[in-house]
Amino acid sequence: GQNIDQPTEMTATEGAIVQINCTYQTSGFNGLFWYQQHAGEAPTFLSYNVLDGLEEKGRFSSFLSRSKGYSYLLLKELQMKDSASYLCAVSDSNYQLIWGAGTKLIIKP
Amino acid sequence: ETGVTQTPRHLVMGMTNKKSLKCEQHLGHNAMYWYKQSAKKPLELMFVYNFKEQTENNSVPSRFSPECPNSSHLFLHLHTLQPEDSALYLCASSQDHSRASYNEQFFGPGTRLTVL
Repeated sequence: GQNIDQPTEMTATEGAIVQINCTYQTSGFNGLFWYQQHAGEAPTFLSYNVLDGLEEKGRFSSFLSRSKGYSYLLLKELQMKDSASYLCAVSDSNYQLIWGAGTKLIIKP
Repeated sequence: ETGVTQTPRHLVMGMTNKKSLKCEQHLGHNAMYWYKQSAKKPLELMFVYNFKEQTENNSVPSRFSPECPNSSHLFLHLHTLQPEDSALYLCASSQDHSRASYNEQFFGPGTRLTVL
C-alpha cells in the first residue's frame, strides 16, 4: 500500500529552528510537496521537490532523498505565525497526491 | 486568497436532507478536486476532474455525487448522509492533472459539514 509518515505534533521556541520529517512509500514518484495549513484555513503551497537535494526559499527549506524515501522541511527563525499544521504529500505514478496526516507545529514564546 | 472559493463555509444537515457544495476557481486551471479532511487523518481524495472529465473516483459512496459543468465550477451533491460524513470538505484546482511534473494544487477554504 501507499503510506506517508510524519510526526503528529512538534513544539519549538520562537526564533529557533525546527525540522519536520516525512517518509514515504508510494507506487511511483512524481515529486513531493509541502503545504502549510493554519487552523480553519485552506492548505497553502510551500515547496516542491522532485530531484534529490535541498531547495531553499527564505526561512523555509525542503530536502529530498528519493533513494531513502525521505524528505524534511526546515523552518528557521521561527515566528509565532508559523504555528500551523504542515502536510507532506507525494505525487504517485498517476499524479495523485498521497497525503500524510500532517504535523501540528506549536511555537512557544 | 488562493483564487478558489467555496460555499457555504459551514453546513449543518440532517441525514434525510439534500444539499450541494459549490466550488469556483478563478485561476484558469483545468483540473479540479474534492477532498475530505477529518481530524488527525490524511486528506482523502474523493474525485478528480481534468478538462471537465471525471478521471478518479476513489471508492466514494454514492451518497456523494460530483458535478463539473465547466472547468471553473465544481459541485458536490449530498443526500442521505451519515454522521461519520461530518468533516471539512476541501476543493482544489491545478493547471492539469496529467502533467508529468509539478502540479501544484490550490485549495479553497473548505466547507465544514456537520451531519446530525
